[in-house]
Amino acid sequence: AQSVTQLDSQVPVFEEAPVELRCNYSSSVSVYLFWYVQYPNQGLQLLLKYLSGSTLVKGINGFEAEFNKSQTSFHLRKPSVHISDTAEYFCAVSTNSGYSTLTFGKGTMLLVSP
Amino acid sequence: DADVTQTPRNRITKTGKRIMLECSQTKGHDRMYWYRQDPGLGLRLIYYSFDVKDINKGEISDGYSVSRQAQAKFSLSLESAIPNQTALYFCATSDLSSGGAYNEQFFGPGTRLTVL
Repeated sequence: AQSVTQLDSQVPVFEEAPVELRCNYSSSVSVYLFWYVQYPNQGLQLLLKYLSGSTLVKGINGFEAEFNKSQTSFHLRKPSVHISDTAEYFCAVSTNSGYSTLTFGKGTMLLVSP
Repeated sequence: DADVTQTPRNRITKTGKRIMLECSQTKGHDRMYWYRQDPGLGLRLIYYSFDVKDINKGEISDGYSVSRQAQAKFSLSLESAIPNQTALYFCATSDLSSGGAYNEQFFGPGTRLTVL
């Protein structure tokens, strides 16, 4: 079975500062990794995904993440955040079995202030 | 129109009542899922269905049941609601042929359920 750990429940940051949201996973087989974003009072929206190939993945709204197999991590980064990036961010993992399901981390609330 | 819809969007009910949450999708996906979201706990899988005749329990299925009436419809029932089932419930879909093997899922807007 796979699992996900998001190390920070909240990350406060000032506008235009860089941010990194941390995600570590555990799995005995190859994984696929996802970051979803949930804006206030909305459903989840896919931000980016790693399936294979280049370990640096670019997503929407200027976010990117890097897959590091040796450290079993998939940290999310943005060089300069905006107020509108305030949201909850979820890291999720699945495996390469066609019958696999998604396992989510507990989420990180990104709080961007002026 | 939204690809994944959930009804109702908000519901307040009393302990012991039976309640059904409904999910419909126009994406043509085979796979559908029900999750609940609680503050600080992330999303936890309740039930999932890989096709109309396939229903599987997730991490937290106790106290819940589901029905897959058609490819496009997946309902979640609480037979006798209790206060600790107060949560935000999400339906999601995925499809094997369009990347579903990787389990990229598409989410509905959620149903906020309060059990008094």
